[in-house]
Amino acid sequence: NAGVTQTPKFQVLKTGQSMTLQCAQDMNHEYMSWYRQDPGMGLRLIHYSVGAGITDQGEVPNGYNVSRSTTEDFPLRLLSAAPSQTSVYFCASSPAPDQPQHFGDGTRLSIL
Amino acid sequence: GQQLNQSPQSMFIQEGEDVSMNCTSSSIFNTWLWYKQDPGEGPVLLIALYKAGELTSNGRLTAQFGITRKDSFLNISASIPSDVGIYFCAGLRYSSASKIIFGSGTRLSIRP
Repeated sequence: NAGVTQTPKFQVLKTGQSMTLQCAQDMNHEYMSWYRQDPGMGLRLIHYSVGAGITDQGEVPNGYNVSRSTTEDFPLRLLSAAPSQTSVYFCASSPAPDQPQHFGDGTRLSIL
Repeated sequence: GQQLNQSPQSMFIQEGEDVSMNCTSSSIFNTWLWYKQDPGEGPVLLIALYKAGELTSNGRLTAQFGITRKDSFLNISASIPSDVGIYFCAGLRYSSASKIIFGSGTRLSIRP
């Protein structure tokens, strides 16, 4: 069972570079979300999607874009990476917004 | 915005001891969730609570949904080395933009 798959697992970027973090789930879940995890701050919601074609902002959306063209995929784009975006990023999915979420194993991103 | 206060931030225990942690909020939640995160992995759901006053067990873990709907508790009985990790509470409030809010985590360590 693949569940929620995130790629890459690790990435180092230079300030100003752009990149896309990939997230795919094979559980046919409608709800998907992206979080960042920083030391001592728990998980903070960046963007979420309640279904294909629908996205919305979370708590810390600035500097990030998302799209949801299919139910399975929910990529997160950093348009111009900044050192403040150094973090561990988690993608999660659930059948509906009011259901517990399943998490991927994370992408560890460092911005130099 | 909504915040969850999770305590303690960290705890060191002897193997075999019981563990208690809690989350409180100034806002009412419809669902309380407890997750555990092991190093290098994403959070894994331990217990989900859907009703005020609900008491739910999962093996040695027991969690309760507070009567006021503003708090939740997690207890671990007879701790073992594999209980080490970070425990997160999360609250969900039903709305047109349902979002899960995470606590900052409790780091559990076992004294050798």
